Amino acid sequence: GAVVSQHPSWVICKSGTSVKIECRSLDFQATTMFWYRQFPKQSLMLMATSNEGSKATYEQGVEKDKFLINHASLTLSTLTVTSAHPEDSSFYICSARVRLSNQPQHFGDGTRLSIL
Amino acid sequence: DAKTTQPPSMDCAEGRAANLPCNHSTISGNEYVYWYRQIHSQGPQYIIHGLKNNETNEMASLIITEDRKSSTLILPHATLRDTAVYYCIVRVGGSQGNLIFGKGTKLSVKP
Repeated sequence: GAVVSQHPSWVICKSGTSVKIECRSLDFQATTMFWYRQFPKQSLMLMATSNEGSKATYEQGVEKDKFLINHASLTLSTLTVTSAHPEDSSFYICSARVRLSNQPQHFGDGTRLSIL
Repeated sequence: DAKTTQPPSMDCAEGRAANLPCNHSTISGNEYVYWYRQIHSQGPQYIIHGLKNNETNEMASLIITEDRKSSTLILPHATLRDTAVYYCIVRVGGSQGNLIFGKGTKLSVKP
């Protein structure tokens, strides 16, 4: 089946630093990628959607200047959390699929971000 | 907001079939139903999806009612490793849309 790889799986860093998370589709071309965030004991919340070569579309309440998304190729999207603070600590999950398709989205294994 | 309603939790005995219901009474004619599950501290795993016909794969079966207002995911022989949160999702916006997750059903498979 389709595989989405996410890296790193766990990161701990100091407040004020920026953190980059990579998401790769390993065996298919992902024209559309998604970033979700999940707080403990809650469901996944969609943060943004990006189509290859286009600017990301952010959900209401998500700061686009804080969560920078780049989707420069059909197999790679990155999420950069800029000037991270403890309240940004969360489980970040990427997902990918072929655009305009009813084929399912496939998810990475997530990145647990802890800001001290 | 999610367009589906699921029971918050269910128990199932190991080796028995697990039947997980989902209501999606406002589903539109071209919207698919997707099922995912999430095991603790992992990303969601795709299980199955369908439009109006029943579907079966190596993991599960999906039964969709004729009026498409509800569906049931069936795990034919549940194992302890099937313990997870199961999400029934109707993709908002058709093929251009996104997966919006509700709270899902916490399935506990017990020995």
